[in-house]
Amino acid sequence: AQTVTQSQPEMSVQEAETVTLSCTYDTSESNYYLFWYKQPPSRQMILVIRQEAYKQQNATENRFSVNFQKAAKSFSLKISDSQLGDTAMYFCAFMNRNTGTASKLTFGTGTRLQVTL
Amino acid sequence: AAGVIQSPRHLIKEKRETATLKCYPIPRHDTVYWYQQGPGQDPQFLISFYEKMQSDKGSIPDRFSAQQFSDYHSELNMSSLELGDSALYFCASSRQSGGRFYEQYFGPGTRLTVT
Repeated sequence: AQTVTQSQPEMSVQEAETVTLSCTYDTSESNYYLFWYKQPPSRQMILVIRQEAYKQQNATENRFSVNFQKAAKSFSLKISDSQLGDTAMYFCAFMNRNTGTASKLTFGTGTRLQVTL
Repeated sequence: AAGVIQSPRHLIKEKRETATLKCYPIPRHDTVYWYQQGPGQDPQFLISFYEKMQSDKGSIPDRFSAQQFSDYHSELNMSSLELGDSALYFCASSRQSGGRFYEQYFGPGTRLTVT
């Protein structure tokens, strides 16, 4: 079984600044995906970025980038040029890729990010 | 781009009643997942279907059942509802290729309130 840990329940950042959200995970699997999902006040779950474990290059999507450290089992999310619309709960999630089944996402407990003026 | 559709968006039921939640996946997605998110919690996996067959099962109560139909939409049936079933229920869909499943895209959720 895998576990996902987000040790920062809440964070705050000023508009236009950069913030990094932390995530660590534990697994014995070698082939998996890691994701960051965003849940704004509307409660919609929005996929922000994904990382495939076999890829060494860190994923980037516009203002969002990750720092994936496979040996350390660490997967942090960096948000650059923060915007008010980035205010949301952010969930780190793990998915086993090689089971041959439609595997579940295992989520961390989330980090609530507040972007202020 | 088309997204996952869930209906209804809100549902109020009384204890011991039955509820049916529907999910329509993104076109050409053949895999559906159901999650339950309680207040202040992370989503918990209930069950998944691939090509109309149950694929993986999580902490789904015996009072709940689900299926995927020939058009790939899915329904989650919940019977003998309890107060603790009040939650946001998400459906997510993904595609499969070469035996591997790709990222999951979530619908807007159905908010179930049991009174």
